[in-house]
Amino acid sequence: GQQVMQIPQYQHVQEGEDFTTYCNSSTTLSNIQWYKQRPGGHPVFLIQLVKSGEVKKQKRLTFQFGEAKKNSSLHITATQTTDVGTYFCADHYGGATNKLIFGTGTLLAVQP
Amino acid sequence: GAVVSQHPSRVICKSGTSVKIECRSLDFQATTMFWYRQFPKQSLMLMATSNEGSKATYEQGVEKDKFLINHASLTLSTLTVTSAHPEDSSFYICSASPGGDTIYFGEGSWLTVV
Repeated sequence: GQQVMQIPQYQHVQEGEDFTTYCNSSTTLSNIQWYKQRPGGHPVFLIQLVKSGEVKKQKRLTFQFGEAKKNSSLHITATQTTDVGTYFCADHYGGATNKLIFGTGTLLAVQP
Repeated sequence: GAVVSQHPSRVICKSGTSVKIECRSLDFQATTMFWYRQFPKQSLMLMATSNEGSKATYEQGVEKDKFLINHASLTLSTLTVTSAHPEDSSFYICSASPGGDTIYFGEGSWLTVV
């Protein structure tokens, strides 16, 4: 079956440093969604990418969708302590299903 | 505020008993809801798709007789873990969508089987 892997598994940065997590799928992705899960919390939707090569920005966050739609990345510029959490990518089987296949996740720790 | 609510948020049960977890969409109707399980420090694994008025669709490897899903109304899906064992201890979380691509997750339910 489909596997969606993320690297790194864990990243520890000093506040103000940049952070990137990479998402790679064994099969072509339908649409890619990104979620943030704070420790002890539930996933919160960040963004969806649909088109090959698409780039979207949300303040300090930049999301990219690979040309072949088999990978994606999330880059955070100048991390803050509020960025702490696990970032998941997920393949979104849209249409009638809205089914998600989650990546393995990257846990971000930010030291003040 | 939350648009998808789960209850209970935490539950402890004895091995061999059954536990019911509820998932409600508060501001919209959902013909489909999804149930995920997340073990500590791991990703979310889709367990099943809950379909209003019909049988749930289970992912490969998920025992349908152990994880009973009922979607009796457009705003409520329930997951019952039957004959729970310690290895069923996990974070169970549901999701629903009001339409389009936006998906909301419930707050999750921590199940501990002792």
